[in-house]
Amino acid sequence: NAGVTQTPKFQVLKTGQSMTLQCAQDMNHNSMYWYRQDPGMGLRLIYYSASEGTTDKGEVPNGYNVSRLNKREFSLRLESAAPSQTSVYFCASTPLLGSPLHFGNGTRLTVT
Amino acid sequence: EDQVTQSPEALRLQEGESSSLNCSYTVSGLRGLFWYRQDPGKGPEFLFTLYSAGEEKEKERLKATLTKKESFLHITAPKPEDSATYLCAVQGNLYGGSQGNLIFGKGTKLSVKP
Repeated sequence: NAGVTQTPKFQVLKTGQSMTLQCAQDMNHNSMYWYRQDPGMGLRLIYYSASEGTTDKGEVPNGYNVSRLNKREFSLRLESAAPSQTSVYFCASTPLLGSPLHFGNGTRLTVT
Repeated sequence: EDQVTQSPEALRLQEGESSSLNCSYTVSGLRGLFWYRQDPGKGPEFLFTLYSAGEEKEKERLKATLTKKESFLHITAPKPEDSATYLCAVQGNLYGGSQGNLIFGKGTKLSVKP
C-alpha cells in the first residue's frame, strides 16, 4: 500500500520554465490537497479538491494551476516558474473533511 | 483570522528529560486540532486529533491535551528516536477565514541527545 506518491522527488527549473508536479493516492480518498513548505513558515495551502470534479483556491494560489484528473490523481502546474516558488511541495489526501491528512514525501523544487 | 502559534521553535533535551510543546490557536469554531510529526526529508505523519477542551490522547511517550486556547504535547522520558519536528494544525468551521481547511503552525524542532 503506497499511500500518497509524488513525482518527481527533486526538480531544478530556470525562471520562466513550466512543469507539472504529479500526485497519486491509492486509498480511495475523496479530498486532495497541495501545500508548500518554506523555512520559517508553516505549511501553506495552495489548492485543494474536496471531491472529484471540483477544485478551489487555498491561501497562496497565485502562479499555480491544478487538475483533478480522476479520484486518484491531483496535479499541480507551474506555468512560468519564479524564484519565489522555490519550495518543498507536499500533496495530501483525506477520506473526508475533518479527517487527518495523509501526506506524500514531497517534491523539492528549486527555481534559479 | 485563524492562527496557530507553536513554541518553542526549537527544544533540546537529554534522553529521559521530560518536557512539553505548546500550540496556541485562534480559530472560528474549532472542529479539530491535529498533531503531526515530520522527519527530515519526509512528509508529516499524523499523531493525534483532539476535538474538545479537556480531551487527552496518548501514544507511547507522547500525550496531547487540549484547552479552549491551546494544546500541549507532553513528551515523557524521550528517546533519541523522538527527535523530529512536531507540527500543530487546527481546523475551523466552513464559514471562517480558512474555510474549514487546516491551518498549520511553524512547528517545534525537537532534538533528544543520548
